[in-house]
Amino acid sequence: DTEVTQTPKHLVMGMTNKKSLKCEQHMGHRAMYWYKQKAKKPPELMFVYSYEKLSINESVPSRFSPECPNSSLLNLHLHALQPEDSALYLCASSQFNAGVFFEQYFGPGTRLTVT
Amino acid sequence: AQRVTQPEKLLSVFKGAPVELKCNYSYSGSPELFWYVQYSRQRLQLLLRHISRESIKGFTADLNKGETSFHLKKPFAQEEDSAMYYCALKGDNYGQNFVFGPGTRLSVLP
Repeated sequence: DTEVTQTPKHLVMGMTNKKSLKCEQHMGHRAMYWYKQKAKKPPELMFVYSYEKLSINESVPSRFSPECPNSSLLNLHLHALQPEDSALYLCASSQFNAGVFFEQYFGPGTRLTVT
Repeated sequence: AQRVTQPEKLLSVFKGAPVELKCNYSYSGSPELFWYVQYSRQRLQLLLRHISRESIKGFTADLNKGETSFHLKKPFAQEEDSAMYYCALKGDNYGQNFVFGPGTRLSVLP
């Protein structure tokens, strides 16, 4: 299996809802990432996990809460989001060895709309 | 600090014409450079990495450290090459991650 999968494909949520985005990979990668991508913009890094531990948090608001329950899964828990959080959320994974992150493989993304 | 620039937001060429998508970077160490492509309604996918010096779908890119550039080239553009192209840089220090350029939308006209 050489793909990164993400569920759901689309999500519409209200500002008071709690929802979760899920990401899975079975390539044996030990680094996983969450990115946010607004329309016509490059991906912006949010979080990086290496060996299931959070190693990078790019000053993301606490209404986004990542979780890495095991080496294959990565979740992003959402709570009290704002309309400006509407975007495509991308998950990626890569090899990670001796402190080096290798090239990333991306999932198809979850398109999130906050109403 | 790592920085990647792609001066063209949009590049339009006719089918069969040569195409060059520009990428310049600023980084004090020895970076790794990548090109990612995002076709309409498809996932972001790795196209090229400079260390492998390969040609994928007819595209090539050479790292020019003197000019701090990593331009993407193809001698004869095809309509199916129309997509968003992102240049990305990875630093050589522990934990340094990817920085993506702003992207160039390539439109190949029939």
